[in-house]
Order: sequence, then C-alpha cells, then structure tokens
Amino acid sequence: EVQLVESGGGLVQPGGSLRLSCAASGFTFSNFWMSWVRQDPGKGLEWVANIKEDGSEINYRDSVKGRFTISRDNAKNSLYLQMNSLRVEDTAVYYCARDRDHAHGYWGQGTLVTVSS
Amino acid sequence: DIQMTQSPSSLSASVGDRVTITCRASQTISSYLNWYQQKPGKAPNLLIYAKSRLQIGVPSRFSGTGSGTEFTLTIINLQPEDFATYYCQQTYGPPLTFGGGTKVEI
Repeated sequence: EVQLVESGGGLVQPGGSLRLSCAASGFTFSNFWMSWVRQDPGKGLEWVANIKEDGSEINYRDSVKGRFTISRDNAKNSLYLQMNSLRVEDTAVYYCARDRDHAHGYWGQGTLVTVSS
Repeated sequence: DIQMTQSPSSLSASVGDRVTITCRASQTISSYLNWYQQKPGKAPNLLIYAKSRLQIGVPSRFSGTGSGTEFTLTIINLQPEDFATYYCQQTYGPPLTFGGGTKVEI
C-alpha cells in the first residue's frame, strides 16, 4: 500500500524557516517524480515544486523560488522541502504527492504550516 | 503561467443527477489535464488524468472529455459520496496550475 506521511509543520514567525519531510513507503520511491502542493485552509490548491526521480530536474512556482528548496534522499525514501524567509502568505497545509503520468496519483495527509507573529 | 478557469464555482444537485463541470485553459495544454475530488479535511484524490483516463478504483460514473483549451468533467447518476469539491489541473508545463474549484452541494 502506497503511503506518504508528511511531518515538520508548525507555527513560525515571518522570516523564519521550517523543513518539511515526507516519508514514502509501499512503492519504489526512486522511480517516481514527487511534488509538494499546498492549500491555504478553506481555499484552493497551489502546486509548489517538483523533483525528478534522481533529483536532476527541479521546478518551482515563482513565489517560492530562492526561498524554498525541494530535495530527496532515495536511500531513505524521503522527500523534503526546506522553507526559508517564510511569509504570512505561505501559511497552508502542505501535501507531498507521488507523480505519474503527469498527475498527482497519491497524496499524504498534509502538514500545517502557520506563519504568524 | 497557464490560467485555469473552472465553472461553475458551486452547484446544487440531487442524488441521481448528471453534473457537468467545465475547465478552460488560457492556452492549449494538449491532453495534460487532470481532475481531483476533495472532501473536507482530506487530501485531494485523483479521479481522471490525461483528460479522459480514469484512475484505478474510480467509479465509471466519472468521465472526462475535451481538447486544447476546454475540458469537461461529467458525473452521471450522482451518489451521496460525490458531494465534494472538484479541481482541474494542467500539467502541460511548470508552474502546474489548478482551477479554483467547484463545490458540488446538495
């Protein structure tokens, strides 16, 4: 059974940092692109970043470029999102997702990031 | 960025109804169009990918059509468990973008 479990969310002040993790199991992690998608509570979905199977290709949405870094450790079956210089507008539930056929076929349960003073 | 416009933003329906949701892209996206269902407090669930391919385990009452810039999600014989919010998404190129969502209510 495919499982994705996010962790690392919490309350942080503007300008602060957080590192999100996503532990994957039930599939060969190194065979799949992975994505981070976020959702402001009560609002719509926003894709954040994705990373190729071997980490050789990475894409970000403009609003997080230079502040967020997506990475993966295939030996640990884990996906990460390092978030620096956090802003109030980064407040959201962050989901990791497994990608296949250009779609997010499996999602984790999400971890809440709140940026507030 | 490619903008995805969904309509309607909400609709009221009854069990057994046929429901149609439309998604329009600001430029052609070939068949790189996905549909997701999300229930309150839960992660989204992939229903349809590549415009019309049904994800494994998704009931056949869900279907997707369209081409170029206009796409449609149709649900026939609406069931109680189908009351949810539906999102389209283009994956033609980064940044990947979602529509604003359609809430299907009783």
